[in-house]
Amino acid sequence: SYVLTQPPSVSVAPGKTARITCGGNNIGTKSVHWYQQKPGQAPVLVINYDSDRPSGIPERFSGSNSGNTATLTISRVEAADEADYYCQVWDTSSDVVFGGGTKLTVL
Amino acid sequence: QVQLLQSGAEVKKPGASVKVSCKASGYTFNIYYMHWVRQAPGQGLEWMGLFNPSGSRTNFAQKFQGRVAMTRDTSTSTVYMELRSLKSEDTAVYYCARGIGSGSHIDVWGQGTLVTVSS
Repeated sequence: SYVLTQPPSVSVAPGKTARITCGGNNIGTKSVHWYQQKPGQAPVLVINYDSDRPSGIPERFSGSNSGNTATLTISRVEAADEADYYCQVWDTSSDVVFGGGTKLTVL
Repeated sequence: QVQLLQSGAEVKKPGASVKVSCKASGYTFNIYYMHWVRQAPGQGLEWMGLFNPSGSRTNFAQKFQGRVAMTRDTSTSTVYMELRSLKSEDTAVYYCARGIGSGSHIDVWGQGTLVTVSS
């Protein structure tokens, strides 16, 4: 089955840029979706189809996908961005796959 | 507005079954997939499977095949997920979540249902 690899944690100072990676074999050929989850809450979609931002998501959130790595970039990080972030794709057997999640800490 | 309302928390003994409901409102029920995703305490998201209203098809993660069922009641816009032969490792928050279609994202999530498996 397809495996998505995320770093367990990323730390960033307020106002700086956070980059969260999602690695997978030829992930650049798949559509990658990103979710934000805060403690005790359901996940929220922040990026779909590699780089599209749903309505209501700040422009500070952006995404890219090429080769074996997809990246979620959060510019001008704020304290409210502290959360767990998950990438998601569909594999060739029509299964949904989530990455292991990355905890973003705002210093 | 689009909403998914799940049933309340459950406590089950090992070997028992649990059935979680997810009532949809605010959209055309039979057009969208319904995914089930679970999250064990302190762990990440784990996809269990989906219900495709077109032809009432289901697709389950291999880990859960033979142990999970997903059904729907069109008259009440409700999807059900039943997990059998529960083990302590099945203790988790179970989410239903609306999917746009194959290859696409999940755009709406239920509030989650905590299932605790304990003797």
